[in-house]
Amino acid sequence: DGGITQSPKYLFRKEGQNVTLSCEQNLNHDAMYWYRQDPGQGLRLIYYSQIVNDFQKGDIAEGYSVSREKKESFPLTVTSAQKNPTAFYLCASSISSWSTNEKLFFGSGTQLSVL
Amino acid sequence: AQSVTQLGSHVSVSEGALVLLRCNYSSSVPPYLFWYVQYPNQGLQLLLKYTSAATLVKGINGFEAEFKKSETSFHLTKPSAHMSDAAEYFCALRPYGQNFVFGPGTRLSVLP
Repeated sequence: DGGITQSPKYLFRKEGQNVTLSCEQNLNHDAMYWYRQDPGQGLRLIYYSQIVNDFQKGDIAEGYSVSREKKESFPLTVTSAQKNPTAFYLCASSISSWSTNEKLFFGSGTQLSVL
Repeated sequence: AQSVTQLGSHVSVSEGALVLLRCNYSSSVPPYLFWYVQYPNQGLQLLLKYTSAATLVKGINGFEAEFKKSETSFHLTKPSAHMSDAAEYFCALRPYGQNFVFGPGTRLSVLP
């Protein structure tokens, strides 16, 4: 079955540590996205990528980094500069970022907590 | 700036009762509008979307939504709630050529 796989499901970060969240899709989608979800705040866009080897900052990119070396993969690194990283992180994809009526497909999320 | 508001962070209904989840939007151009559902510790799934073809949109699991331009609303309804409908619901808009804007979400509880 096609879909988006996020791993791990739960992740713990120590002070000063960088951690990487994995996102893989086999839907052959061009566009991929990372969202952060905090209770009562909806989803906020961290980074997005419209094509391989290209990505743009979203609304809350500070303290995060991404790469898009392969079409299928869009890993997110939460750096030590992100002082409040505890949140639920969602990866999503769409056929393209240009087609406005296309829906987003979501992974099942990673819950990141600080030790 | 585009925005989405959802009235009521938490809505409770009895099983079999009408479900009404409110969504209002602000957009300078006619947007595409979406409703997503999220079950605990899961990603979001699309319930339905409005793309200007028809103002009343039917989605999965018996949900529907009506686009009312004069009221800038896109409320989600279901005639009879089921226990399995308990989840968080997000309204979202996508202005042409821009990224999604999500509302804060409404948590629906269904009481037996």
